[in-house]
Amino acid sequence: EAGVTQFPSHSVIEKGQTVTLRCDPISGHDNLYWYRRVMGKEIKFLLHFVKESKQDESGMPNNRFLAERTGGTYSTLKVQPAELEDSGVYFCASTGGQNTEAFFGQGTRLTVV
Amino acid sequence: EDQVTQSPEALRLQEGESSSLNCSYTVSGLRGLFWYRQDPGKGPEFLFTLYSAGEEKEKERLKATLTKKESFLHITAPKPEDSATYLCAVRTSGTYKYIFGTGTRLKVLA
Repeated sequence: EAGVTQFPSHSVIEKGQTVTLRCDPISGHDNLYWYRRVMGKEIKFLLHFVKESKQDESGMPNNRFLAERTGGTYSTLKVQPAELEDSGVYFCASTGGQNTEAFFGQGTRLTVV
Repeated sequence: EDQVTQSPEALRLQEGESSSLNCSYTVSGLRGLFWYRQDPGKGPEFLFTLYSAGEEKEKERLKATLTKKESFLHITAPKPEDSATYLCAVRTSGTYKYIFGTGTRLKVLA
């Protein structure tokens, strides 16, 4: 069974550009989460989808971040325009049930220069 | 405010030297405590879930325990391949997101 897959694994963009990260959860997992780790800090929650609906987006830093999950399968996280402080590793995770363990992707390392 | 604190930040052990990692938490209502292992350049890999005080889980050289204020990850006779960052995360009442600690970087020397 395939795990959680994220694309790309690395992205380097200039300040002001747009970047789109993609996450393919484990097949059949309705719950999809985005997290972010900035340098030296803990992994922090961004938002939670249940199927195609946003259940909790309390961790989204500002309106430059837009997450979508059309059709309730894969998800995208767009940053537009990117700022230097957006650099970090973005993780996607999925769960089958709402209080079961989360399975994480390998992450996308975003560097904004 | 819900908070998770892990200690120590880093730990170096000789192969075979047992030790424990600590995860203390202050939350409004614990829905579950989760331990993960993370290798460089990879995502967190699930190890254990603990739901209530007194619960224990074991897997190979690892054993996780839970009290009302903290959890321990005991590593017995570690091997170099146990070197990794160990992350603790909690879920609290009313939400399904994880709140993570900053992790403990473990290095086991041969």
